[in-house]
Amino acid sequence: DAGVTQSPTHLIKTRGQQVTLRCSPKSGHDTVSWYQQALGQGPQFIFQYYEEEERQRGNFPDRFSGHQFPNYSSELNVNALLLGDSALYLCASSSGGTASDFGPGTRLTVT
Amino acid sequence: AQSVTQLGSHVSVSEGALVLLRCNYSSSVPPYLFWYVQYPNQGLQLLLKYTSAATLVKGINGFEAEFKKSETSFHLTKPSAHMSDAAEYFCAVSFSNAGKSTFGDGTTLTVKP
Repeated sequence: DAGVTQSPTHLIKTRGQQVTLRCSPKSGHDTVSWYQQALGQGPQFIFQYYEEEERQRGNFPDRFSGHQFPNYSSELNVNALLLGDSALYLCASSSGGTASDFGPGTRLTVT
Repeated sequence: AQSVTQLGSHVSVSEGALVLLRCNYSSSVPPYLFWYVQYPNQGLQLLLKYTSAATLVKGINGFEAEFKKSETSFHLTKPSAHMSDAAEYFCAVSFSNAGKSTFGDGTTLTVKP
Protein backbone atom coordinates (compact mmCIF):
# COMPACT_ATOMS: atom_id res chain seq x y z
CA ASP A 1 0.00 0.00 0.00
CA ALA A 2 1.72 3.15 -1.21
CA GLY A 3 1.95 6.06 1.15
CA VAL A 4 1.91 9.70 0.11
CA THR A 5 3.83 10.23 -3.11
CA GLN A 6 5.11 13.48 -4.56
CA SER A 7 6.60 14.48 -7.87
CA PRO A 8 9.04 15.61 -8.93
CA THR A 9 11.70 14.92 -6.31
CA HIS A 10 13.83 17.88 -7.25
CA LEU A 11 13.19 20.93 -9.39
CA ILE A 12 15.26 23.91 -10.46
CA LYS A 13 13.50 27.01 -11.76
CA THR A 14 14.42 30.58 -12.59
CA ARG A 15 12.98 33.66 -10.93
CA GLY A 16 9.69 34.70 -12.48
CA GLN A 17 8.83 31.24 -13.74
CA GLN A 18 5.88 29.13 -12.69
CA VAL A 19 5.98 25.68 -11.12
CA THR A 20 3.51 22.85 -10.48
CA LEU A 21 4.08 20.22 -7.83
CA ARG A 22 2.01 17.08 -7.54
CA CYS A 23 0.84 14.89 -4.70
CA SER A 24 -1.02 11.60 -4.43
CA PRO A 25 -2.46 10.92 -0.98
CA LYS A 26 -2.24 7.67 0.90
CA SER A 27 -4.93 5.19 -0.08
CA GLY A 28 -8.13 5.90 1.84
CA HIS A 29 -7.24 9.52 2.61
CA ASP A 30 -9.39 12.35 1.27
CA THR A 31 -7.69 15.45 2.68
CA VAL A 32 -4.45 16.95 1.39
CA SER A 33 -2.38 19.66 3.07
CA TRP A 34 0.65 21.46 1.68
CA TYR A 35 3.55 22.79 3.71
CA GLN A 36 6.67 24.79 2.87
CA GLN A 37 9.83 23.93 4.81
CA ALA A 38 12.69 26.37 4.42
CA LEU A 39 16.17 25.17 5.28
CA GLY A 40 16.65 24.90 9.05
CA GLN A 41 13.03 25.68 9.85
CA GLY A 42 9.85 23.85 10.64
CA PRO A 43 7.16 23.35 8.01
CA GLN A 44 4.75 26.22 7.41
CA PHE A 45 1.14 25.54 6.44
CA ILE A 46 0.20 26.73 2.95
CA PHE A 47 -3.32 25.35 2.51
CA GLN A 48 -5.54 22.31 2.82
CA TYR A 49 -7.90 20.75 0.31
CA TYR A 50 -10.96 18.65 1.04
CA GLU A 51 -13.72 17.67 -1.35
CA GLU A 52 -11.92 19.56 -4.12
CA GLU A 53 -12.12 22.86 -2.25
CA GLU A 54 -9.60 24.90 -0.31
CA ARG A 55 -10.70 24.48 3.30
CA GLN A 56 -7.99 26.42 5.11
CA ARG A 57 -5.18 28.71 4.07
CA GLY A 58 -2.04 29.86 5.78
CA ASN A 59 -0.26 33.18 5.45
CA PHE A 60 0.94 32.79 1.86
CA PRO A 61 0.37 35.17 -1.05
CA ASP A 62 -2.01 34.50 -3.92
CA ARG A 63 0.95 33.40 -6.03
CA PHE A 64 0.45 30.09 -4.26
CA SER A 65 -2.61 28.23 -5.51
CA GLY A 66 -3.77 24.67 -5.56
CA HIS A 67 -6.22 22.18 -6.81
CA GLN A 68 -7.64 18.86 -5.71
CA PHE A 69 -8.94 16.33 -8.20
CA PRO A 70 -11.84 13.86 -7.82
CA ASN A 71 -9.35 11.08 -7.06
CA TYR A 72 -8.08 13.22 -4.11
CA SER A 73 -4.70 13.92 -5.68
CA SER A 74 -3.56 17.51 -5.53
CA GLU A 75 -1.38 20.11 -7.22
CA LEU A 76 0.43 23.10 -5.80
CA ASN A 77 1.12 25.93 -8.23
CA VAL A 78 3.47 28.80 -7.56
CA ASN A 79 3.58 31.74 -9.98
CA ALA A 80 6.21 34.45 -10.41
CA LEU A 81 8.82 32.51 -8.45
CA LEU A 82 11.07 34.38 -6.04
CA LEU A 83 14.42 33.29 -4.65
CA GLY A 84 12.72 33.01 -1.25
CA ASP A 85 10.41 30.30 -2.59
CA SER A 86 13.33 27.87 -2.54
CA ALA A 87 12.35 25.21 -0.02
CA LEU A 88 11.19 21.67 0.53
CA TYR A 89 7.48 21.41 -0.26
CA LEU A 90 5.71 18.73 1.72
CA CYS A 91 2.37 17.19 1.00
CA ALA A 92 0.45 15.50 3.78
CA SER A 93 -2.73 13.48 3.67
CA SER A 94 -5.30 12.39 6.20
CA SER A 95 -8.81 11.07 6.47
CA GLY A 96 -10.41 14.33 7.56
CA GLY A 97 -8.02 14.92 10.43
CA THR A 98 -4.74 16.73 10.87
CA ALA A 99 -2.04 15.56 8.53
CA SER A 100 -0.78 12.20 9.65
CA ASP A 101 1.14 10.99 6.65
CA PHE A 102 3.70 13.11 4.88
CA GLY A 103 5.30 12.54 1.52
CA PRO A 104 9.06 12.75 0.94
CA GLY A 105 8.72 16.26 -0.42
CA THR A 106 9.78 18.16 -3.52
CA ARG A 107 12.98 20.18 -3.25
CA LEU A 108 12.49 23.42 -5.22
CA THR A 109 15.48 25.59 -6.01
CA VAL A 110 14.91 29.01 -7.54
CA THR A 111 17.91 30.64 -9.19
CA ALA B 1 -3.23 32.40 17.74
CA GLN B 2 -1.05 29.41 18.35
CA SER B 3 2.70 28.97 18.52
CA VAL B 4 5.31 26.40 19.45
CA THR B 5 8.73 26.84 21.02
CA GLN B 6 11.21 24.01 20.97
CA LEU B 7 13.93 24.62 23.53
CA GLY B 8 17.32 23.59 22.24
CA SER B 9 17.94 23.39 18.53
CA HIS B 10 20.50 20.64 19.10
CA VAL B 11 20.47 17.87 21.70
CA SER B 12 23.21 15.26 22.04
CA VAL B 13 22.92 12.10 24.13
CA SER B 14 24.87 8.89 24.49
CA GLU B 15 23.43 5.64 23.27
CA GLY B 16 21.32 4.16 26.07
CA ALA B 17 20.77 7.50 27.79
CA LEU B 18 17.47 9.26 28.37
CA VAL B 19 16.17 11.40 25.52
CA LEU B 20 14.31 14.59 26.49
CA LEU B 21 13.17 17.02 23.81
CA ARG B 22 11.33 20.08 25.06
CA CYS B 23 8.26 21.71 23.58
CA ASN B 24 6.18 24.57 24.93
CA TYR B 25 3.07 25.80 23.20
CA SER B 26 0.76 28.74 23.18
CA SER B 27 -2.87 28.30 22.25
CA SER B 28 -6.03 30.26 22.97
CA VAL B 29 -8.11 27.08 22.96
CA PRO B 30 -7.44 23.54 24.19
CA PRO B 31 -4.73 22.34 21.85
CA TYR B 32 -4.06 19.26 19.83
CA LEU B 33 -0.34 18.50 20.03
CA PHE B 34 1.89 16.41 17.83
CA TRP B 35 5.46 15.19 17.58
CA TYR B 36 6.98 14.30 14.22
CA VAL B 37 10.38 12.90 13.25
CA GLN B 38 12.21 13.71 10.03
CA TYR B 39 15.16 11.70 8.78
CA PRO B 40 17.55 13.26 6.25
CA ASN B 41 16.02 13.77 2.82
CA GLN B 42 12.69 12.35 3.93
CA GLY B 43 9.26 13.64 4.84
CA LEU B 44 7.82 13.79 8.34
CA GLN B 45 6.59 10.76 10.27
CA LEU B 46 4.04 11.13 13.05
CA LEU B 47 5.43 9.84 16.36
CA LEU B 48 2.45 10.58 18.58
CA LYS B 49 -0.42 12.99 19.15
CA TYR B 50 -2.41 14.40 22.07
CA THR B 51 -6.11 14.94 21.44
CA SER B 52 -7.50 15.71 24.93
CA ALA B 53 -7.69 12.11 26.13
CA ALA B 54 -4.95 10.69 28.37
CA THR B 55 -2.27 13.23 29.26
CA LEU B 56 0.51 10.66 28.85
CA VAL B 57 0.68 9.68 25.21
CA LYS B 58 2.64 6.71 23.95
CA GLY B 59 3.94 6.70 20.42
CA ILE B 60 5.99 4.63 18.09
CA ASN B 61 9.62 3.57 18.56
CA GLY B 62 9.39 3.78 22.35
CA PHE B 63 8.70 7.52 22.51
CA GLU B 64 6.15 9.11 24.79
CA ALA B 65 5.06 12.63 25.71
CA GLU B 66 3.18 14.14 28.61
CA PHE B 67 0.73 17.01 28.24
CA LYS B 68 1.06 19.44 31.15
CA LYS B 69 -1.53 22.18 30.88
CA SER B 70 -0.19 24.16 33.86
CA GLU B 71 3.23 24.34 32.22
CA THR B 72 1.91 24.56 28.64
CA SER B 73 4.39 21.85 27.78
CA PHE B 74 4.46 18.66 25.75
CA HIS B 75 7.97 17.27 26.15
CA LEU B 76 9.04 14.15 24.26
CA THR B 77 10.96 11.42 26.07
CA LYS B 78 12.49 8.02 25.45
CA PRO B 79 14.13 6.04 28.24
CA SER B 80 17.03 4.69 26.22
CA ALA B 81 18.39 6.30 23.06
CA HIS B 82 19.31 4.21 20.06
CA MET B 83 21.61 5.21 17.23
CA SER B 84 18.65 5.04 14.85
CA ASP B 85 16.90 7.82 16.83
CA ALA B 86 19.30 10.41 15.39
CA ALA B 87 17.05 12.74 13.37
CA GLU B 88 15.20 16.06 13.40
CA TYR B 89 12.18 16.25 15.70
CA PHE B 90 9.30 18.69 15.34
CA CYS B 91 6.59 19.61 17.78
CA ALA B 92 3.34 20.99 16.36
CA VAL B 93 0.10 22.46 17.70
CA SER B 94 -3.32 22.64 16.13
CA PHE B 95 -6.68 24.13 17.09
CA SER B 96 -8.41 20.93 16.16
CA ASN B 97 -7.82 17.43 14.98
CA ALA B 98 -8.11 18.74 11.44
CA GLY B 99 -6.55 21.46 9.42
CA LYS B 100 -3.61 23.72 9.99
CA SER B 101 -0.76 22.75 12.28
CA THR B 102 1.85 25.23 13.52
CA PHE B 103 5.31 23.71 13.82
CA GLY B 104 8.30 24.56 15.96
CA ASP B 105 11.71 25.08 14.38
CA GLY B 106 12.82 21.58 15.25
CA THR B 107 15.43 19.91 17.44
CA THR B 108 18.28 17.91 15.97
CA LEU B 109 18.99 14.83 18.06
CA THR B 110 22.50 13.36 17.89
CA VAL B 111 23.19 9.97 19.49
CA LYS B 112 26.80 9.23 20.39
CA PRO B 113 28.06 5.65 20.54
